[in-house]
Amino acid sequence: QKEVEQDPGPLSVPEGAIVSLNCTYSNSAFQYFMWYRQYSRKGPELLMYTYSSGNKEDGRFTAQVDKSSKYISLFIRDSQPSDSATYLCAMSAVRGGSYQLTFGKGTKLSVIP
Amino acid sequence: AAGVIQSPRHLIKEKRETATLKCYPIPRHDTVYWYQQGPGQDPQFLISFYEKMQSDKGSIPDRFSAQQFSDYHSELNMSSLELGDSALYFCASSPRSMADTQYFGPGTRLTVL
Repeated sequence: QKEVEQDPGPLSVPEGAIVSLNCTYSNSAFQYFMWYRQYSRKGPELLMYTYSSGNKEDGRFTAQVDKSSKYISLFIRDSQPSDSATYLCAMSAVRGGSYQLTFGKGTKLSVIP
Repeated sequence: AAGVIQSPRHLIKEKRETATLKCYPIPRHDTVYWYQQGPGQDPQFLISFYEKMQSDKGSIPDRFSAQQFSDYHSELNMSSLELGDSALYFCASSPRSMADTQYFGPGTRLTVL
């Protein structure tokens, strides 16, 4: 079993919809939680970052972490066609001063105009 | 804002050849991470450096080596290339002040024929 599980989709929604993306994890040592957006053949782009349970909002994006359930979510409000990409959850624990990331498989999202 | 620079962006090699990938972190970022992303896969951590010293090692083959130089740029050296080494190789950098936040470069696409 992978340390981080993420439904690969694909997920297709109409423009303006609310999108919910989720990951579960098994390693209790994970302390930092991130969401990256990756367009085809591009590098992952950091969208949201948090280290505590609860919600964090940034514009149309809300990241939610529930450490007790080992579950994180990303909500996208008023989704736009430009949001079409693969969304990767990532998490890290400190090890020897390094914060190597463990990623989920990524969810491919298509927002249809 | 300046981003992580990787070169070359594309590289084609034959089996058993060697390859060198370069990464130039964001200015004032002293930590560098290398990840490998196979087709349809999530990025896998290879190795990381902080202040020119290796800080952590992941699933990096013995045929690969890396180092970080005095100007903080890093190079990933790959020898005896195999077909399975074909992948996107990403470099990410972070500042010590926010060591848990990584910013990714555009990647180098390596194709081994």
